[in-house]
Formats: sequence, structure tokens, C-alpha cells
Amino acid sequence: AQSVSQHNHHVILSEAASLELGCNYSYGGTVNLFWYVQYPGQHLQLLLKYFSGDPLVKGIKGFEAEFIKSKFSFNLRKPSVQWSDTAEYFCAVNQDTGRRALTFGSGTRLQVQP
Amino acid sequence: DGGITQSPKYLFRKEGQNVTLSCEQNLNHDAMYWYRQDPGQGLRLIYYSQIVNDFQKGDIAEGYSVSREKKESFPLTVTSAQKNPTAFYLCASSQQASSPLHFGNGTRLTVT
Repeated sequence: AQSVSQHNHHVILSEAASLELGCNYSYGGTVNLFWYVQYPGQHLQLLLKYFSGDPLVKGIKGFEAEFIKSKFSFNLRKPSVQWSDTAEYFCAVNQDTGRRALTFGSGTRLQVQP
Repeated sequence: DGGITQSPKYLFRKEGQNVTLSCEQNLNHDAMYWYRQDPGQGLRLIYYSQIVNDFQKGDIAEGYSVSREKKESFPLTVTSAQKNPTAFYLCASSQQASSPLHFGNGTRLTVT
């Protein structure tokens, strides 16, 4: 079965610091990769996705993620965080064949201090 | 506006009682999902349905049941067999199985 690991459970940064959140998955076949964000009191929303093509994908609010197939990784980055980026971030993966429902990581809680 | 409606927002039940959580979507999506969100564990898949009258177990299906009689509706029943039912339950839908998910606002179930 596929699994998703997010090694950073809680990250605290100051405004303007750079961000990188790790995500690794276990499935060896073709995958689709996603990052979702959950702001305090709000529902989950899509930040960015990778299906195929350029492994560097750009999402909303200045976020980007890079798919490195050899490392089974899809790390999320942002050059300069803002206080409004305080949220919980979830990496998710689904297989291109077979069970296609998303498997989520355990999430990373990001706290940005002004 | 199209979206996913979960009701109620908060639900309280006594141990030993079955309870059904509602999920309705008007996005005309084929696929629907139920996840459970617990602190530090992310979202775990309970059941999913890729088409009407068909559904599959997810990773933590024990103690839960679903039906998919209509495209718009995917109710989840938490049975008395579920050992730790207190949690935040999220319903989602997608155009097709590989598409991004649209989430509802969730139902927080408390069983005492």
C-alpha cells in the first residue's frame, strides 16, 4: 500500500524566512502529487498539484514544489513566508492506476511569527 | 454556487448508538470520499466511491458503512463497532478519481 511521510510535524518561522516542507511517498509506480493547505477554521484547499511534465510546479500564493522521482519526494517551498501562511499543510499522493483515492501525509503545522 | 455540504457541523452521540453523517454535492462529480482527521495523523481514508452504486473500503473502514444510491449523496454511518469514533469527519468529491478533491467543511462527532 502506498504511504506518505511528512517528517516536519511543527515548523516555526519568522516572517520573510524561507520555507521547505518535506514529503516522501512509497509507491513505485506513476503517481499524482498534491499539496493541500488548511488555514485556521477553514476547510482544506488545493495549493498545487503535479500530474506530469515539468517537475517544478507553481501553486497559489507563491508556493512551489519539486517532484524528484529518484528520491520519491515532492517538497514544498516558498522563498519568503508571511504571517498569513500560518496553517497546516498536507502532502497527498494517488496512484495513476488501481486505487486512485488520495493518501495523505500526517501534516505539517506551520507557525509564522510576525 | 456549487459545493459540498456536510451536516450537521457538530454531532453528539452516546456510546453504542449508530450515527449517520450527511454529505451532499452539487458539483456533478463522479467520485466521493470520506476521510477522518485526527490531530497528528493527517487524513485517513474511510471509504470512497468512484461511481453510483459502487464503493470501496479505504484504510480504516472497520466500524463504518456507506451507501451511494445517488450521485449527489454519500452518507457515512458510524456504527457502534467503531472503537474510537470521536473525530473530525471530512467528505470530499472529485470530477474523476485522479482529479483534485473538493472538501466539505466537516462534521465533528463526539461520542461519550
